[in-house]
Amino acid sequence: SQQGEEDPQALSIQEGENATMNCSYKTSINNLQWYRQNSGRGLVHLILIRSNEREKHSGRLRVTLDTSKKSSSLLITASRAADTASYFCATDDSSNTGKLIFGQGTTLQVKP
Amino acid sequence: DAGVIQSPRHEVTEMGQEVTLRCKPISGHDYLFWYRQTMMRGLELLIYFNNNVPIDDSGMPEDRFSAKMPNASFSTLKIQPSEPRDSAVYFCASSRSWEQFFGPGTRLTVL
Repeated sequence: SQQGEEDPQALSIQEGENATMNCSYKTSINNLQWYRQNSGRGLVHLILIRSNEREKHSGRLRVTLDTSKKSSSLLITASRAADTASYFCATDDSSNTGKLIFGQGTTLQVKP
Repeated sequence: DAGVIQSPRHEVTEMGQEVTLRCKPISGHDYLFWYRQTMMRGLELLIYFNNNVPIDDSGMPEDRFSAKMPNASFSTLKIQPSEPRDSAVYFCASSRSWEQFFGPGTRLTVL
């Protein structure tokens, strides 16, 4: 079964609005990452948050991590049409093998 | 650096044929991953290598699938014989830490 599950599966917003995506996972982790996938392309790493961190920022991205609830959220502020993509969370399995487990993803559409 | 390179980008073949997908990881990366992505099953890890050695192939669906990494700059994923249900986008990714770098993928269609 998937380690990470994103919510919602699909999200449609207007340009300029904020977009929030959530991820839940099942086991202990060392870190959690978020990736973006544009249509027809490979995944691109956005941000990594370690298990001892609660919040991290990168440009218009804000990621939170709650290890007690085994959940994370990705907030994209002031969205742009170019943010239209699928977003995936990925977790390790705390075994330090380098292996990641990806969720099913949230498809975000930003309307101009 | 050119990033992870995959070839071919598109492959259309008939059921029963052998298919070979190729990947060149980023130089200096010691991990290489093969994934398969479909609408129904999402992104699945098939196999991954560390320093050219297969570490976990538990995601390989059947014996029809095999993967090799003869050196640090090249890996292949082979399907023999191919079946229509193998139709998917196959990604190769490499890393030297937790962040993975994905190639553009190979879209495989088995008729």
